[in-house]
Amino acid sequence: AQTVTQSQPEMSVQEAETVTLSCTYDTSENNYYLFWYKQPPSRQMILVIRQEAYKQQNATENRFSVNFQKAAKSFSLKISDSQLGDTAMYFCASVFGGSQGNLIFGKGTKLSVKP
Amino acid sequence: GAGVSQSPRYKVAKRGQDVALRCDPISGHVSLFWYQQALGQGPEFLTYFQNEAQLDKSGLPSDRFFAERPEGSVSTLKIQRTQQEDSAVYLCASSLGGADYGYTFGSGTRLTVV
Repeated sequence: AQTVTQSQPEMSVQEAETVTLSCTYDTSENNYYLFWYKQPPSRQMILVIRQEAYKQQNATENRFSVNFQKAAKSFSLKISDSQLGDTAMYFCASVFGGSQGNLIFGKGTKLSVKP
Repeated sequence: GAGVSQSPRYKVAKRGQDVALRCDPISGHVSLFWYQQALGQGPEFLTYFQNEAQLDKSGLPSDRFFAERPEGSVSTLKIQRTQQEDSAVYLCASSLGGADYGYTFGSGTRLTVV
């Protein structure tokens, strides 16, 4: 079975500090894509960062970066210089077996950034 | 349009009532997905269209759920004889062509069955 697991239901961080959200996945596929999405109370899923499995270099988008460990099937998200606007649910997701097909989501981590 | 539009934003249905949820994807997006998100959970896949063809409906929980996209643009998710366990947020996403291009989500419809 292809699964995505987030083991931290809730996390909190002080403003301006750094926080890391964990994600592991299970697949026998060699070709897949990994994503982190942010879901604020407005409910719309917003793409934070994307990683192709065939790329060894970790993806980075401004304050957001990932630590992609393919052998360990781990894909953690690091948020640097946390801001109050980062408070949201964060979901790890994957498309397995190529670029087509549906996203499989983890259960999410609720991140609270405290002033 | 500029984004994925879903309507209604909120829907309250009495148990046993039929409901129809609408998704208007970004113009030109070939792929369209429906997800069900229960409270406090991650979205779960329901069904996938490529243009007007429904390529995967393996996630539909029962035969009370039906989706269509007759002209390859707007899609409707219909739930017949709603039950309390159908209460959830229903998210729609569209894509130009899959993971290489990314997915754009709508704000969802929150369905409450009373």
